[in-house]
Amino acid sequence: DVKVTQSSRYLVKRTGEKVFLECVQDMDHENMFWYRQDPGLGLRLIYFSYDVKMKEKGDIPEGYSVSREKKERFSLILESASTNQTSMYLCASSQHTGGSDTQYFGPGTRLTVL
Amino acid sequence: QKEVEQNSGPLSVPEGAIASLNCTYSDRGSQSFFWYRQYSGKSPELIMSIYSNGDKEDGRFTAQLNKASQYVSLLIRDSQPSDSATYLCAGYSNSGYALNFGKGTSLLVTP
Repeated sequence: DVKVTQSSRYLVKRTGEKVFLECVQDMDHENMFWYRQDPGLGLRLIYFSYDVKMKEKGDIPEGYSVSREKKERFSLILESASTNQTSMYLCASSQHTGGSDTQYFGPGTRLTVL
Repeated sequence: QKEVEQNSGPLSVPEGAIASLNCTYSDRGSQSFFWYRQYSGKSPELIMSIYSNGDKEDGRFTAQLNKASQYVSLLIRDSQPSDSATYLCAGYSNSGYALNFGKGTSLLVTP
């Protein structure tokens, strides 16, 4: 079974703090993704990575950065957290590019920025 | 903008009935589609994937794809209260990396 884990289920941070969200997958997947999910807006792609040290912007990259130093680990960084980044953050991974690969999701991190 | 559209619902069906969830997409280049189920406060979990025109059945679930009409559907037979969740439809963009997700349809199965 594919397993995607995220470092925290719930996180509360203050405005201006630097926030790190960690995601680890154990299936040797090439692709990893970070989404945020908000009521009425659905899932929106922040960044994805198709290989170690490679990253591509998604639909809403502003205010975020990512790091992928190892194949199994993909980090999302909020350089200076703001209240509008309060959201559910979901990490996902998939096998390889090709347009037919299932994405598997981690349990999510509900981040609250005060 | 490549879009996947779903009716937000809620769709309410009685226990034991067939629930029909629908999705349309605008990107003619999309080849693969996925249905995910998401319980409140949880992450999406894969229900079905479909790549070819026609029907694909898995237990109580049937996915249907009609590429000419750019239409994907999910049928749930013998609906159970435990099927109450939000169902997300998703299809790949032309780049092949990113899934385009619909905003989801909320399904309520009443006992």
